[in-house]
Amino acid sequence: AQTVTQSQPEMSVQEAETVTLSCTYDTSESDYYLFWYKQPPSRQMILVIRQEAYKQQNATENRFSVNFQKAAKSFSLKISDSQLGDAAMYFCAYRSGGSNYKLTFGKGTLLTVNP
Amino acid sequence: DTAVSQTPKYLVTQMGNDKSIKCEQNLGHDTMYWYKQDSKKFLKIMFSYNNKELIINETVPNRFSPKSPDKAHLNLHINSLELGDSAVYFCASSQVWGSEQFFGPGTRLTVL
Repeated sequence: AQTVTQSQPEMSVQEAETVTLSCTYDTSESDYYLFWYKQPPSRQMILVIRQEAYKQQNATENRFSVNFQKAAKSFSLKISDSQLGDAAMYFCAYRSGGSNYKLTFGKGTLLTVNP
Repeated sequence: DTAVSQTPKYLVTQMGNDKSIKCEQNLGHDTMYWYKQDSKKFLKIMFSYNNKELIINETVPNRFSPKSPDKAHLNLHINSLELGDSAVYFCASSQVWGSEQFFGPGTRLTVL
């Protein structure tokens, strides 16, 4: 079974600074997807960024980028120019490329942004 | 336009009662899911339906029964509610071939 580990229960960053959230996963599959979801206090789950395992290029969405290291099974999220609105719980998630579409989540990292 | 909606958003009830949570998506997706988020914020899949057919059923007590009247709706019925059922329940949807899941706003269930 796949597992997703987020080793940082909490992180903090100063506004306008850069922060990196860590995620590692365990799988024997070669075809899969990885995601970062954000959950602000409103509790809505918002997709931040996704990465297909077959793509070598790291995904980027504006201030959010990932460092995908397939051999190391690592998928970290970098947030540049942090804003107060980035404060939220961040979840790393794994999805098999096969017919099982469920998301397996890590336990989350609570990000605080200090003004 | 709400893509994935859930009703109710909050549900407070007594132990032993039976309750339902409804979910609807207007994205034309084929696959729908129920996830449970516990008090420690851990999210775990419960069920998944594809075109009204159950395809994932994780280890969930049989007091929980999903029902999909059509592929735009996936409801969750819970019998004989227990204190441990208190959680936030999220509905989500995706295309069969797509990788992204879109989540509803969640339903906070409190069992007293």
